[in-house]
Amino acid sequence: DTGVSQNPRHKITKRGQNVTFRCDPISEHNRLYWYRQTLGQGPEFLTYFQNEAQLEKSRLLSDRFSAERPKGSFSTLEIQRTEQGDSAMYLCASSRAGTAESQYFGPGTRLLVL
Amino acid sequence: GEDVEQSLFLSVREGDSSVINCTYTDSSSTYLYWYKQEPGAGLQLLTYIFSNMDMKQDQRLTVLLNKKDKHLSLRIADTQTGDSAIYFCALTKDGNNRKLIWGLGTSLAVNP
Repeated sequence: DTGVSQNPRHKITKRGQNVTFRCDPISEHNRLYWYRQTLGQGPEFLTYFQNEAQLEKSRLLSDRFSAERPKGSFSTLEIQRTEQGDSAMYLCASSRAGTAESQYFGPGTRLLVL
Repeated sequence: GEDVEQSLFLSVREGDSSVINCTYTDSSSTYLYWYKQEPGAGLQLLTYIFSNMDMKQDQRLTVLLNKKDKHLSLRIADTQTGDSAIYFCALTKDGNNRKLIWGLGTSLAVNP
């Protein structure tokens, strides 16, 4: 069990550029979640997938944000036309559908938009 | 978050017990979790409790749940300097076992 991995770990971009982050969940987990965390705050839910289906999206997720999980394994989160307010830590978690469904988190991707 | 509240800071001496508190508003939450976040690191799941339990013990960690008062606590026995971190309370919302709602976190400082 290698845990949840995320790439890149850090990303610096200029305002207006597009960025894409990748998350590889724990292999037997069929649920995958994206959260965003800013300094001094708890994580905020963005979206989640069960297998390849995106089942819920937060109102926080504007039209500039899109997430995919094409084969029900890894997921990508793309932000188009980045804004300075997008600067945050983007966290991915995975879980196995069942009772407690405990979510296990990756190390996060820290995004800085200049 | 406004649905989950935690005190922001706690300072204890090494070897003492730490008690981190959390209050919440959604009585339909099924699972309640405690996560630990060290500087620059991701979130580590420490423990969870099911809503029909009132206590769970796991080595140095004890979780207490008072459903009537909507109060959750995490007790760390024999606190060590390595326990210094931010501790988040998180819970499922509206009976939805998928989306977690989080507190702002309690920053625990352990002094030698």
